Amino acid sequence: ETGVTQSPTHLIKTRGQQVTLRCSSQSGHNTVSWYQQALGQGPQFIFQYYREEENGRGNFPPRFSGLQFPNYSSELNVNALELDDSALYLCASSLGAGSSYEQYFGPGTRLTVT
Amino acid sequence: AQTVTQSQPEMSVQEAETVTLSCTYDTSESNYYLFWYKQPPSRQMILVIRQEAYKQQNATENRFSVNFQKAAKSFSLKISDSQLGDTAMYFCAPLSGAGSYQLTFGKGTKLSVIP
Repeated sequence: ETGVTQSPTHLIKTRGQQVTLRCSSQSGHNTVSWYQQALGQGPQFIFQYYREEENGRGNFPPRFSGLQFPNYSSELNVNALELDDSALYLCASSLGAGSSYEQYFGPGTRLTVT
Repeated sequence: AQTVTQSQPEMSVQEAETVTLSCTYDTSESNYYLFWYKQPPSRQMILVIRQEAYKQQNATENRFSVNFQKAAKSFSLKISDSQLGDTAMYFCAPLSGAGSYQLTFGKGTKLSVIP
């Protein structure tokens, strides 16, 4: 069974640019959640996708957007990058969107904005 | 909105000893799940243990156990027979929400196991 994978591992972008991060969910999982983890902090919820539809969003501006594909892999897009967007971006997949479903995390993408 | 407080930013424990990490949370929901995750320096978040809020029995997973006090909204993690591989950041995270069940993380406790 393949776990959650993310690409790329590291990324360096310039302020104002756009970035796309990718996540492949664990086999059989139809729900993907994205989190932003700033240095020295716990992860913060960005949004969740369930069966290709956005299923909830945290306190992040619209320049953070996402997609989920029919194979349940997902993308996180960030436009107009700001210095504060520098963080570790984690995706987590789960068997469903309900409260009993454990979330399994990928290794993360480290984004640095200069 | 939920809040999670982990009052111990850093802790250390001797190998083979027992350590307890504290967590308190605030939620208005009655049915929810609680998790402890560990994040080693390699950064991949790993699920350690989960607790269902409607169950009074505390969860146990090998050397890891919790002390769940629902009325006090307290959810501590006990690690017995600490091993060097337990060195990591530990995060307490309730899972709740209406429709979209999201994890709310505390700031974490950095645990160092000393040989």
